[in-house]
Amino acid sequence: DSGVTQTPKHLITATGQRVTLRCSPRSGDLSVYWYQQSLDQGLQFLIQYYNGEERAKGNILERFSAQQFPDLHSELNLSSLELGDSALYFCASSVGGTTVNTEAFFGQGTRLTVV
Amino acid sequence: GQSLEQPSEVTAVEGAIVQINCTYQTSGFYGLSWYQQHDGGAPTFLSYNALDGLEETGRFSSFLSRSDSYGYLLLQELQMKDSASYFCACHTGGFKTIFGAGTRLFVKA
Repeated sequence: DSGVTQTPKHLITATGQRVTLRCSPRSGDLSVYWYQQSLDQGLQFLIQYYNGEERAKGNILERFSAQQFPDLHSELNLSSLELGDSALYFCASSVGGTTVNTEAFFGQGTRLTVV
Repeated sequence: GQSLEQPSEVTAVEGAIVQINCTYQTSGFYGLSWYQQHDGGAPTFLSYNALDGLEETGRFSSFLSRSDSYGYLLLQELQMKDSASYFCACHTGGFKTIFGAGTRLFVKA
C-alpha cells in the first residue's frame, strides 16, 4: 500500500459526460501528479500541483482540468468525454515539489471506460 | 521535443541477467528513474540516477551516461515475479517527469 488513495477504482460512463476522479496523497506529501495510461501504453504526464498551486503541465487536454484543495487532496475533472479517453488514470504524490531525487508514490489508479 | 525510447519487450529465463536500455532526448535533464509495474498494478519506484555511473540496489542496478543520453536497468538472478513492465522516466526542466512507453519483461522457467 503506497498510501495514495484514488477513488473510484472503476468508472463507466457515456460519451459527452463529465466525471471527477479523486486522489488523496500520502500524509505529508505536498505534490500531486496525474498521469494517463492507455492500453499497453506508457504513462502520460498530465499535470502537477504543489501545495495547492499548479506546478507543471503536460499533455493535458483543454477538456480536462484539475485542482488541489487546502487539505491537499486533488481532483481531476474530465468533461465532454470521448471513447479515446478510456484509460487508467493514476495519481502520484511526493514530498517535495519535484520527483527529482525523490520517490513518487502511485495510487492504484482509476479505470475509466467511456462507452 | 522530448522523448524516451526503450524496447517494447524483452524475454529472459529464470536465473539469468537482463538489461533494459533507455535513451532519452529532453531539455533540462536532472536525472533518470526506473519504475516497475505489474499487470493491473500501480507503478512502484526502483531506482534513481542523477550522476553518471552505476547504482546498485539488491538484484537491481541502474546505470546512467549523461553524455550519451542513455541509461539502463540491470536485473540479476531473474525470478518469475520480475515479469512486469519497466518504465524509465526523465526528470526535466519545469518540474516535469516524462515516462517512456515501457518495456514488458517476460521471465520464463
